[in-house]
Amino acid sequence: GAVVSQHPSRVICKSGTSVKIECRSLDFQATTMFWYRQFPKQSLMLMATSNEGSKATYEQGVEKDKFLINHASLTLSTLTVTSAHPEDSSFYICSAVGVPTNEKLFFGSGTQLSVL
Amino acid sequence: GIQVEQSPPDLILQEGANSTLRCNFSDSVNNLQWFHQNPWGQLINLFYIPSGTKQNGRLSATTVATERYSLLYISSSQTTDSGVYFCAVAGTGTASKLTFGTGTRLQVTL
Repeated sequence: GAVVSQHPSRVICKSGTSVKIECRSLDFQATTMFWYRQFPKQSLMLMATSNEGSKATYEQGVEKDKFLINHASLTLSTLTVTSAHPEDSSFYICSAVGVPTNEKLFFGSGTQLSVL
Repeated sequence: GIQVEQSPPDLILQEGANSTLRCNFSDSVNNLQWFHQNPWGQLINLFYIPSGTKQNGRLSATTVATERYSLLYISSSQTTDSGVYFCAVAGTGTASKLTFGTGTRLQVTL
């Protein structure tokens, strides 16, 4: 199956700093990437959808200035959590669809963010 | 938006037992997928099944789109099947933008 690589797997940062998370599709072209957030023992909540070369579309209630998403190529999307605060601590997961995965969604391994 | 509910929320099985997980959704869908999230957080795509029946080894899934539900069958369960199973759907016109269900947490014991 298609492989999606996500780094880092775990990050601890101080309040007020920014953190960048990378998501790469290793063996397919990701025309669309999705970023999800998951709290402990809860389901996944979609944060934003990004298409290569265009601005991301954010879900209602997600601050686009806090969660900056860039999808500069068909294999790379990044999520930057700006001026992180303890309430931003969460598990962030990226996923991708594209050629030739079509509608089937493949996920990265997730990033556990802890803001002190 | 579409509501997705899964049942049961929690399930404990002895190794070798069979189980059926259910996913109900509130509107027409053109995309339905089942995922397994292992204890380390990795999500694995099990099935893309907007309708019909598919089988992959000990797992099979059936979606009855007209009645707005999908079932995931696990036969001869193993401890490695433990984790959370999510159903995710997308409505017409929303392509791959999936809404995830509440999940079923499965624990398989020896």
